[in-house]
Amino acid sequence: DTGVSQDPRHKITKRGQNVTFRCDPISEHNRLYWYRQTLGQGPEFLTYFQNEAQLEKSRLLSDRFSAERPKGSFSTLEIQRTEQGDSAMYLCASSRQGASHEQYFGPGTRLTVT
Amino acid sequence: SQQGEEDPQALSIQEGENATMNCSYKTSINNLQWYRQNSGRGLVHLILIRSNEREKHSGRLRVTLDTSKKSSSLLITASRAADTASYFCATDNSGGSNYKLTFGKGTLLTVNP
Repeated sequence: DTGVSQDPRHKITKRGQNVTFRCDPISEHNRLYWYRQTLGQGPEFLTYFQNEAQLEKSRLLSDRFSAERPKGSFSTLEIQRTEQGDSAMYLCASSRQGASHEQYFGPGTRLTVT
Repeated sequence: SQQGEEDPQALSIQEGENATMNCSYKTSINNLQWYRQNSGRGLVHLILIRSNEREKHSGRLRVTLDTSKKSSSLLITASRAADTASYFCATDNSGGSNYKLTFGKGTLLTVNP
């Protein structure tokens, strides 16, 4: 169990550019989650996958955001035409399916849009 | 939108003292979880309490849940400097499927050596 990993850890980009983040969950976890966290706030749910299926998306996830989880393994989160308001920590988590299984979080990717 | 509200927003204590943090929420829940986050890092799960449980212990942690008041408390006994972190409560509002956690704004705990 090597934990959830995220890449990159930090990303600085200019407004209007596209960025892509990667998350590698714990290998036996079939659920994967993306959250966004801004300074002084708790994480906010963005979307989640069960295996390769994206089962729910938050209204926070505008059309500029897209997430994929091909083959039910790693996941990518892409933000197109970034805006300054996208600056935040993007957290990935994974878990086993079930009502009592905790979510294991990765270290996050901190995005700064200048 | 964030459902949970932790109280206080910040708490500063001396090593060895107990720390109590409270969480209130708005809608009915299936379970409530507490997470810890060290500065700039990911979250670490501490404890989960189901809606039909009233109290749960794990090491130096004690969590209570009062569904009639829609509130929970986290007690850390005999605090250590390493307990310095932000603590968040999170509620599961996904009808028991435990996929959609809603977090509060957190309590920043500082334990002074």
